[in-house]
Amino acid sequence: KNEVEQSPQNLTAQEGEFITINCSYSVGISALHWLQQHPGGGIVSLFMLSSGKKKHGRLIATINIQEKHSSLHITASHPRDSAVYICAVRSYNTDKLIFGTGTRLQVFP
Amino acid sequence: DTAVSQTPKYLVTQMGNDKSIKCEQNLGHDTMYWYKQDSKKFLKIMFSYNNKELIINETVPNRFSPKSPDKAHLNLHINSLELGDSAVYFCASSGGQGLIAKNIQYFGAGTRLSVL
Repeated sequence: KNEVEQSPQNLTAQEGEFITINCSYSVGISALHWLQQHPGGGIVSLFMLSSGKKKHGRLIATINIQEKHSSLHITASHPRDSAVYICAVRSYNTDKLIFGTGTRLQVFP
Repeated sequence: DTAVSQTPKYLVTQMGNDKSIKCEQNLGHDTMYWYKQDSKKFLKIMFSYNNKELIINETVPNRFSPKSPDKAHLNLHINSLELGDSAVYFCASSGGQGLIAKNIQYFGAGTRLSVL
């Protein structure tokens, strides 16, 4: 079992829908990241969280440290949001980044 | 200007060959990383260098050898390539020791390695 699990693995949506991607982890962490990998392969860091909630444009990321769970929300989804979204946590003990397997999102017009 | 640049973008080679992938960052960061992304899109760290010094060395075959001539460069050399080495390799960098600086990693565009 991976230390970082994401759900769903694949997600399709119609343009305009509200999207939620979940991430659960089993280790103590000092920070959690949400990354976006475009179809061309490039990876972009979206958020770094250690508590609470962050918002950037149509993207919202939340984290519940007690429940070891984070969610990434996309409001008013658009086809250009189609990408793989990756959750990664920095282990408090080892200081290493541990990645989830990603969620492939496809938004259709 | 590209912040973290990797070359080449694509690399196709025969089994048994030796190849190198180069990575350079112009962000003034002191920590650089190599990640391997397998066919299932799972990213796994391979190496991390801080100020030219190896700080993370995951269990990877010793055919993989990172080389950091200076803190702006971290090259990955692979000897005796095998079919299972086919993957996308990402270089990344981060700056500083504070939690925020250390955690924001900037990724290169990736190098897709295909071993035939």
